[in-house]
Amino acid sequence: DIQMTQSPSSLSASVGDRVTITCRASQSISSYLNWYQQKPGKAPKLLIYAASSLQSGVPSRFSGSGSGTDFTLTISSLQPEDFATYYCQQSYSTSITFGQGTRLEIK
Amino acid sequence: EVQLVESGGGLVKPGGSLRLSCAASGFTFSSYSMNWVRQAPGKGLEWVSSISSSSSYIYYADSVKGRFTISRDNAKNSLYLQMNSLRAEDTAVYYCARVVLGGYAPANWFDPWGQGTLVTVSS
Repeated sequence: DIQMTQSPSSLSASVGDRVTITCRASQSISSYLNWYQQKPGKAPKLLIYAASSLQSGVPSRFSGSGSGTDFTLTISSLQPEDFATYYCQQSYSTSITFGQGTRLEIK
Repeated sequence: EVQLVESGGGLVKPGGSLRLSCAASGFTFSSYSMNWVRQAPGKGLEWVSSISSSSSYIYYADSVKGRFTISRDNAKNSLYLQMNSLRAEDTAVYYCARVVLGGYAPANWFDPWGQGTLVTVSS
């Protein structure tokens, strides 16, 4: 299976900060990488698909980049509603795998 | 509105069985592949199984292969997960999710997700 490793595992930041979360694949996955946001007690929500495409309705402060094995999710200016856990997911293989998650907390 | 609603979760003893259902509405269910994804308490997301729109292609995670069976009934707009030989480590919230294709394989992503149903395996 393709292993997905996110860093950091947790992050403390303040409203207005610029934040970057990294996801690394154990082999090249081209641009077949998606990002989800999950708030406590809620289902995950799609943010970014195909590495850099913003899902409809998602604020433009979210952006994704990367290809091959290294990917990033950037939040340009943190808002109170952005404090959540973020997951990357590869669709390159039929055996889907997720990163372990990055918990974004209020400083 | 596109909606997925899971049901069928509950408390079951180790070695027991449970059948989860996912009712779909607001879209042409028969045109979409579907997935089950689970999340153990306090843990991350784990993909469980995928099924194509016509049930021609089915995949399982190694952790459930041989014990779980995914199926669908397009006439009833429903997705199922039959879970047998349940273990304590199967305890999780189980989500169903629609697969959106990007127009070129293997570009696809999960959207939306249901609210989840909790399965607890304990004696």
